[in-house]
Amino acid sequence: NAGVTQTPKFRVLKTGQSMTLLCAQDMNHEYMYWYRQDPGMGLRLIHYSVGEGTTAKGEVPDGYNVSRLKKQNFLLGLESAAPSQTSVYFCASSIQAGGRTDTQYFGPGTRLTVL
Amino acid sequence: GDSVTQMEGPVTLSEEAFLTINCTYTATGYPSLFWYVQYPGEGLQLLLKATKADDKGSNKGFEATYRKETTSFHLEKGSVQVSDSAVYFCALSGDSSYKLIFGSGTRLLVRP
Repeated sequence: NAGVTQTPKFRVLKTGQSMTLLCAQDMNHEYMYWYRQDPGMGLRLIHYSVGEGTTAKGEVPDGYNVSRLKKQNFLLGLESAAPSQTSVYFCASSIQAGGRTDTQYFGPGTRLTVL
Repeated sequence: GDSVTQMEGPVTLSEEAFLTINCTYTATGYPSLFWYVQYPGEGLQLLLKATKADDKGSNKGFEATYRKETTSFHLEKGSVQVSDSAVYFCALSGDSSYKLIFGSGTRLLVRP
């Protein structure tokens, strides 16, 4: 099993450009998440999905959009990148256990720089 | 709402020293509790977890006990190694919640 994979690993954008980050998991997990991690800060949840075709906003959703067309994939889009979106982005997936999320499995991250 | 508070770092120790990283939580009901570790340049990995009161999670020499009475889940290791240098995150999963609530992370630096 590859677990959770993220594409690309690194990217540099100019302000105003758009891009899509791809997350894929091969564990048949229902739940998927996108986080950002800034220097000296913890994780902040951007968007999440509890199943194919469903998405929901997290703590910091502004400037991002997501789609979950297939159960194994969760895409994060930046329509018009801004320097404030320079960060490391992590995708995660999990199962449900006892009506709540269980262990989340994380990808290796995408380091994005917006100039 | 639910929250997690963990001690601020960095924590600097010499090799073979005893480690404690404090974590306390606020939640209704009976959350599940987790410790994650993040090595430099990598994503987070589950270190250990506990799903009910008085459970002890353990892995790689690390331990943490779910204490309902003190709402705590402190991480301990008897003898740290240089390879344990990383950032450690405490987290909880509340009743009927799709999300994990993370603490702010504690950086551990172990010197030879």
